Amino acid sequence: DAGVTQSPTHLIKTRGQHVTLRCSPISGHKSVSWYQQVLGQGPQFIFQYYEKEERGRGNFPDRFSARQFPNYSSELNVNALLLGDSALYLCASSLAGPHGATQYFGPGTRLLVL
Amino acid sequence: TQLLEQSPQFLSIQEGENLTVYCNSSSVFSSLQWYRQEPGEGPVLLVTVVTGGEVKKLKRLTFQFGDARKDSSLHITAAQTGDTGLYLCAVNYGQNFVFGPGTRLSVLP
Repeated sequence: DAGVTQSPTHLIKTRGQHVTLRCSPISGHKSVSWYQQVLGQGPQFIFQYYEKEERGRGNFPDRFSARQFPNYSSELNVNALLLGDSALYLCASSLAGPHGATQYFGPGTRLLVL
Repeated sequence: TQLLEQSPQFLSIQEGENLTVYCNSSSVFSSLQWYRQEPGEGPVLLVTVVTGGEVKKLKRLTFQFGDARKDSSLHITAAQTGDTGLYLCAVNYGQNFVFGPGTRLSVLP
């Protein structure tokens, strides 16, 4: 069975641009969470979606938004990119809703903002 | 102040040595998880501990949850080069799932 997949694997953008990152969960998983991992730090929680509804939000500005589609895949959007948005963006899927179930992480999308 | 503190931040040891890394907080948690993250990959769950004082073993890895459920340790016996990676502890905290900053372990041949 395929694990969590994320696209693209790498991305280079310039300040002020917009970016969309995509995540496909493990088949049967209904929950998707997004994390930002800056170099040298642990992942920081951005959003969790379960059954297409937002169930949790971390301490990130409104430039960050996400959605979950009927097939449970998800997109993370970041507007007005800043240099500090450069990071590894991780997606994790789980069977059940908020944080009671084991999360399985994808390999991430590495975003570089110039 | 971070919710979870991990120590040491970096650790470099020779293959065959033993090591212990720590995860500490001033808060009490119902459970705590340990992950390992290798370069270019996402974190992989190693274990979940839920009971104060609980000890779990996974081959050469021994995990302990503190009696007060505020801290945890990970002990690796006879480290191997394949143990190299970033070791992260993590907890549920309200609507969030919070990771510590990690311990970066390098096991040298």
